[in-house]
Amino acid sequence: GAGVSQSPSNKVTEKGKDVELRCDPISGHTALYWYRQSLGQGLEFLIYFQGNSAPDKSGLPSDRFSAERTGGSVSTLTIQRTQQEDSAVYLCASSLLAGGRQETQYFGPGTRLLVL
Amino acid sequence: RKEVEQDPGPFNVPEGATVAFNCTYSNSASQSFFWYRQDCRKEPKLLMSVYSSGNEDGRFTAQLNRASQYISLLIRDSKLSDSATYLCVVTGRGSGNTGKLIFGQGTTLQVKP
Repeated sequence: GAGVSQSPSNKVTEKGKDVELRCDPISGHTALYWYRQSLGQGLEFLIYFQGNSAPDKSGLPSDRFSAERTGGSVSTLTIQRTQQEDSAVYLCASSLLAGGRQETQYFGPGTRLLVL
Repeated sequence: RKEVEQDPGPFNVPEGATVAFNCTYSNSASQSFFWYRQDCRKEPKLLMSVYSSGNEDGRFTAQLNRASQYISLLIRDSKLSDSATYLCVVTGRGSGNTGKLIFGQGTTLQVKP
């Protein structure tokens, strides 16, 4: 079956521009997560969506970062006024449920963002 | 101090060797524990969950020591295909029950012929 998909796979942008990264979770998965993996760093949590609940935005590094999840499915991560330190691989993951009984998170292939 | 700490390695071992990775975590409220595998320029994939009683999956054995806040992964009879980065991962009550994953930096394993 189809896994988590992300687009674009690679994005090169100039400092100061805005970028949008898209995630299509596995069909039927109610929980969706965004993570970031910088060069030489571990993965860090950014934001989490679960159904119609308020998202957990506790991992967003600054107010330049925002995310939406429309219709409980597709999610878009937006970075405004990009900076060079935003260069990283942005990974999306989804799981059937969240909290309580831990569900396996399935990761997409990521979007490699390079800010020049 | 990082919430999840691992020796980054690299661990260079010959085929057939047994290799062990260790990990410590700082949040005693952490509830779920995992090992993920990440191949070069690929996404992480769940290798196995880790339980206090210990669990085994083929050549892989995982152990959890809650008192010491310590997690281990043992790989027996290493194969060339085991070469990858192994990520120690925890969740915790502090995550607001969202299930968000907290990753260690990973331990790199290179299995040589």
